[in-house]
Amino acid sequence: EAGVAQSPRYKIIEKRQSVAFWCNPISGHATLYWYQQILGQGPKLLIQFQNNGVVDDSQLPKDRFSAERLKGVDSTLKIQPAKLEDSAVYLCASSPNFAGPLWNEQYFGPGTRLTVT
Amino acid sequence: KQEVTQIPAALSVPEGENLVLNCSFTDSAIYNLQWFRQDPGKGLTSLLLIQSSQREQTSGRLNASLDKSSGRSTLYIAASQPGDSATYLCAVKGSGTYKYIFGTGTRLKVLA
Repeated sequence: EAGVAQSPRYKIIEKRQSVAFWCNPISGHATLYWYQQILGQGPKLLIQFQNNGVVDDSQLPKDRFSAERLKGVDSTLKIQPAKLEDSAVYLCASSPNFAGPLWNEQYFGPGTRLTVT
Repeated sequence: KQEVTQIPAALSVPEGENLVLNCSFTDSAIYNLQWFRQDPGKGLTSLLLIQSSQREQTSGRLNASLDKSSGRSTLYIAASQPGDSATYLCAVKGSGTYKYIFGTGTRLKVLA
């Protein structure tokens, strides 16, 4: 079974530029998560999708961050414009079902390391 | 607001030692607690998941315990090996919420 795919793996941009990250979850997984992990900290949930609907985006800085999952499969996270403090690893995860014990199993991708200069 | 703390932040041990990693949380109303492993430059790998009704879970050389009343979980690693070197994260899912709150992790180095 293929894992969660993310691209690019690394990105360096200047502040005020825009950037987009892509995630393809495990086939059949209904729930998709985007996390931000700043160096030395644990991951922080930015947004959670159930199919193509948003379940939780309470910690997403909506003035500069946006995310979509139009067909309920892959997802894109965008930052526009980027700030220095956005330097972090952006992790995508997916899980099989919204309810039941399997919901708790999150499968993570390798992440995208963003450096804003 | 749930807060998750992991102590120590870093740990270095010789190969073969048994070790304990600690995780504490402020709100005992949790749905479950999960331990993850993160290797440098990689995503997270789930190690053990403990439901709120359980006291412990075991997988191979790993054993995780949960004491909700005191807001604590421990991850016990038996007979540590250099391949165990990684960052270990605990995450707590609160009752009635959809998301995990992660600790800051313990960076473990096992010396050969």
